[in-house]
Amino acid sequence: NAGVTQTPKFQVLKTGQSMTLQCAQDMNHEYMSWYRQDPGMGLRLIHYSVGAGITDQGEVPNGYNVSRSTTEDFPLRLLSAAPSQTSVYFCASSSTSGRNEQFFGPGTRLTVL
Amino acid sequence: LAKTTQPISMDSYEGQEVNITCSHNNIATNDYITWYQQFPSQGPRFIIQGYKTKVTNEVASLFIPADRKSSTLSLPRVSLSDTAVYYCLVANNAGNMLTFGGGTRLMVKP
Repeated sequence: NAGVTQTPKFQVLKTGQSMTLQCAQDMNHEYMSWYRQDPGMGLRLIHYSVGAGITDQGEVPNGYNVSRSTTEDFPLRLLSAAPSQTSVYFCASSSTSGRNEQFFGPGTRLTVL
Repeated sequence: LAKTTQPISMDSYEGQEVNITCSHNNIATNDYITWYQQFPSQGPRFIIQGYKTKVTNEVASLFIPADRKSSTLSLPRVSLSDTAVYYCLVANNAGNMLTFGGGTRLMVKP
């Protein structure tokens, strides 16, 4: 099993550009989530999904969109990038919910100029 | 959301036991406590989870007092490879209300 994969690993954007961060898992997990990690602030939940076709907002959803058309994929879209979205983004999955053991991807380091 | 607070950093020596405490004063009745380990340029990795009292697995123990307002991760006989950042997480059962602590950077010295 590859586990949770994320692409790209690094990305530089200009303010106002849009892009999609890809996330896929091959463990048939129902729960998937996106976090951002900023220095000294731990990880903060952006969006999550409890199954295909179901998504909901986390703690910091503004400026991000998600969709879940399949169990395996959970892309995160930045609609109009801002410097405040410079961060490291992690995707995670769990067999049941975010309360249980989550498996994290390797992360995407995003810089917005 | 429960607010979680951890020490920013800790130092230890190989072979010692390390205890890292997380404070979560407003934890809700149905919230669980989980600890993750993170190495540089990697995603966090699950260590242990508990609700109350004591939980032990092959790598760590988790102590949670009766009032559940704090939790302590105990790493027995640490080695250099345990140098990492450790995060506590308080989460409800649905996984939509969850808060990570700011992380504790553990440095293990020879």
